[in-house]
Amino acid sequence: DARVTQTPRHKVTEMGQEVTMRCQPILGHNTVFWYRQTMMQGLELLAYFRNRAPLDDSGMPKDRFSAEMPDATLATLKIQPSEPRDSAVYFCASVLGVGDTQYFGPGTRLTVL
Amino acid sequence: GNSVTQMEGPVTLSEEAFLTINCTYTATGYPSLFWYVQYPGEGLQLLLKATKADDKGSNKGFEATYRKETTSFHLEKGSVQVSDSAVYFCALLPRGGADGLTFGKGTHLIIQP
Repeated sequence: DARVTQTPRHKVTEMGQEVTMRCQPILGHNTVFWYRQTMMQGLELLAYFRNRAPLDDSGMPKDRFSAEMPDATLATLKIQPSEPRDSAVYFCASVLGVGDTQYFGPGTRLTVL
Repeated sequence: GNSVTQMEGPVTLSEEAFLTINCTYTATGYPSLFWYVQYPGEGLQLLLKATKADDKGSNKGFEATYRKETTSFHLEKGSVQVSDSAVYFCALLPRGGADGLTFGKGTHLIIQP
């Protein structure tokens, strides 16, 4: 049963620290999305990649967030420095092709103190 | 821009009651429409989808019909169970399918025995 995996599942850190979240998409899926879920804003698209190339990161705060896909099996989302307002659940999703169903990982729950 | 509006929760029902969760959308052209479900502590799972007007998506007793004239995609189930308790998200994928999903705020459904 192919699944999207994310690590860590939970992260508690202090303001100013660097946070790195990782995602392993389903093998063969060529598009990876990063979403953020908060109580106030709901689910928001942060960035996405197709064939490892960044296509859109307009949803990300550019000064502190960065997203990369060093290879086809790994996507990373980094926050440096982290702030309390970054506390949220970050989801990764992957899709086989354009218009296909997006499969979500279990999320990383981030708490910034 | 694209947007999805769904009814506020929580929605509390008794087991075996009829369920309707309203969803309306605003989009350019004709998007694909989705219902995702999120169980506590888990990621989002696709419940059903419809890709063109008058299509009906169905799964696990849930149904939703893509209504172009009313720009709606209401979720229904004839007889809910305690295990249906979860948060339900309506979402759209813009025409062309190349972008991320736009989600509604989510509706928390609570089914009481």
